[in-house]
Amino acid sequence: AQKVTQAQTEISVVEKEDVTLDCVYETRDTTYYLFWYKQPPSGELVFLIRRNSFDEQNEISGRYSWNFQKSTSSFNFTITASQVVDSAVYFCALSEAYGSNYQLIWGAGTKLIIKP
Amino acid sequence: EAQVTQNPRYLITVTGKKLTVTCSQNMNHEYMSWYRQDPGLGLRQIYYSMNVEVTDKGDVPEGYKVSRKEKRNFPLILESPSPNQTSLYFCASSSVYPFTDTQYFGPGTRLTVL
Repeated sequence: AQKVTQAQTEISVVEKEDVTLDCVYETRDTTYYLFWYKQPPSGELVFLIRRNSFDEQNEISGRYSWNFQKSTSSFNFTITASQVVDSAVYFCALSEAYGSNYQLIWGAGTKLIIKP
Repeated sequence: EAQVTQNPRYLITVTGKKLTVTCSQNMNHEYMSWYRQDPGLGLRQIYYSMNVEVTDKGDVPEGYKVSRKEKRNFPLILESPSPNQTSLYFCASSSVYPFTDTQYFGPGTRLTVL
C-alpha cells in the first residue's frame, strides 16, 4: 500500500483560479514529518514546507497555504489566485521512523498546469 | 551562490559502460544523498552519506556505488549500467539529518542507457 498518495495525477486550471493539491499519508508513528517540494519545468526540486506531526497549525505563505489534518491523515496544499509560474509538478513526502533512523517516502507527484 | 551542482546534466550511454555522475555542494553540508526519479514513482533514495567516509544504502542501491572522500563531493558510480537504470537522477545535500529536514537539490542528470 502506498504510504503517500497524491491521487491527482494532473490538474489543469485557468490562471487566477484557486487550486488544491491533495496529499494523504499513512503512518503508525506519532512522530513524523511532512514535506512539499515543487519541481518546475526546468527540473530542479525546490523545498516549499516542512511540518512535524505535533504542529497542526495551518500555514500561509503568500498565495500558498497548507492544511494539515491528522484526523484525516492529510496535508493538502492550496494555491490561491494561481499564476502561470505555478505550473510545476508538486511532490508531497512523509518522513517516518524506520528502525533507528527515518525514511523519507515520496508521493508520485501532481502535475499542475496553469493556463493563461 | 549556495548550490548543488551535478555533471553531466544529460548522458546517453550503452549497456555495460562504466560511468560516474559527479555531485558537489558548496554549503559545507554534512549530509548528501542520491535519488532517482521515475514517472509515477516519485523519488527513491539510492544512497546517502552522513559525513566523509560514511555512506549507507537507501531504498534502491542495487547497481550503484558511491564514495565520500571529501565533504563537498559525492559521486554516483554505475559500474555496469543497464537499461533499467535509465532515469532522472538528483543529488541533494543538507546541514541536518535529511530525512526530517530541508534538502537542497541539484539540477538533475538525465541518464539514458541503451
